[in-house]
Amino acid sequence: DVKVTQSSRYLVKRTGEKVFLECVQDMDHENMFWYRQDPGLGLRLIYFSYDVKMKEKGDIPEGYSVSREKKERFSLILESASTNQTSMYLCASSLIPDRAYGYTFGSGTRLTVV
Amino acid sequence: GENVEQHPSTLSVQEGDSAVIKCTYSDSASNYFPWYKQELGKRPQLIIDIRSNVGEKKDQRIAVTLNKTAKHFSLHITETQPEDSAVYFCAAVGGYSTLTFGKGTMLLVSP
Repeated sequence: DVKVTQSSRYLVKRTGEKVFLECVQDMDHENMFWYRQDPGLGLRLIYFSYDVKMKEKGDIPEGYSVSREKKERFSLILESASTNQTSMYLCASSLIPDRAYGYTFGSGTRLTVV
Repeated sequence: GENVEQHPSTLSVQEGDSAVIKCTYSDSASNYFPWYKQELGKRPQLIIDIRSNVGEKKDQRIAVTLNKTAKHFSLHITETQPEDSAVYFCAAVGGYSTLTFGKGTMLLVSP
């Protein structure tokens, strides 16, 4: 089974802090994704990456950046956390570079910004 | 980009009844349509998917149908059980082969 591991289950941060959310997958998947999940809004794509050092903006990239220095690790960075970034953050990975085969999701990080 | 609409947002059924969740998509080039189930406090998990060259796919009590002409696809759950209670998400391939998700349907199956 593919494992996608998010380093923190719950995080509480202060407004203005720089926040790092870490995601690691253990199956040599090419593709990695960051989504945020909010009630009534579903899952919205923040950023994704098809290869090391590569990143692409998703639908809601404002206020976020990402880093993929190694194939197995994809980090989401909140440059200056704000209360409207309080949300559940889900990392996902998939194998095939050019086809959206079923994603495997991590367990999520529930971030609260106070 | 791709836009996916999902209905209803909530669905309550009695155990043993059938449940149907419907989604529409906007990009006629989309060719992959997965469904995810998310139980309370857990990660979304793929339960069934369908590709554009197939009209229907079944896996035990769940089935998905696809109408490419009308750009809609549906999830059908028969003989519902309390453990089917969860949030269900449909999705379609968007730009760069990423998935665009619907807003979710909360299914509640009452014993």
